[in-house]
Amino acid sequence: QVQLVQSGAEVKKPGASVKVSCKASGYTFTHYDINWVRQATGQGLEWMGWMNPDRGDTGYAPKFQGRVTMTRNTSISTAYMELSSLRYEDTAVYYCASVSFVEKRFDFWGQGTLVTVSS
Amino acid sequence: QSVLTQPPSASGPPGQRVSISCSGSSSNIGSNYVYWYQQIPGTAPKLLIYWNNQRPSGVPDRFSGSKSGTSASLAITGLRSDDEADYYCAAWDDSLSGLYVFGTGTKVTVL
Repeated sequence: QVQLVQSGAEVKKPGASVKVSCKASGYTFTHYDINWVRQATGQGLEWMGWMNPDRGDTGYAPKFQGRVTMTRNTSISTAYMELSSLRYEDTAVYYCASVSFVEKRFDFWGQGTLVTVSS
Repeated sequence: QSVLTQPPSASGPPGQRVSISCSGSSSNIGSNYVYWYQQIPGTAPKLLIYWNNQRPSGVPDRFSGSKSGTSASLAITGLRSDDEADYYCAAWDDSLSGLYVFGTGTKVTVL
């Protein structure tokens, strides 16, 4: 069955960077885009960007442009999202999701990774 | 920050029908498909509806979606206690080189 398994919770200081991983299994990794979505406690969903695991192409939400980098290692079917210059308001649960090329459906989601920014 | 507007809450007794609206603009709902997600607190979102009114396999036909112009709606019929969750609409937005936007979210309570 399809699974996206994310790395564990992180605590970072303001100004630091965090890199969250998302390991895919149960399907061909390069056949679906990986998107990242975050959710602050008690808040709604916020889309951060997408990556095509086959070509490595990326697209980022303007809000995160310059601070976010999405990469992948196809040999281990793993996607990464790195967010730099962390601020307190970046404290949130970060989700990866596999997205079908044609229907653009966010079909499968990781379990989420809590990133806490605290001094 | 959300550009799609939903009512903050909706409710109904078991067995009733609940409808959730989602209002956008010509650059998102007006020109692209609408998606709906269900999120039970503490868990990842789950896709309910894609392409305005299509259900992925496994989603009961009690859930239905529709779209008209720059607005969309999700209807839940035969409300059940396990439908109690947050619901989000979403759409791709043609402005700013392709952005995916979520709605503000609606908390559905089963009375």
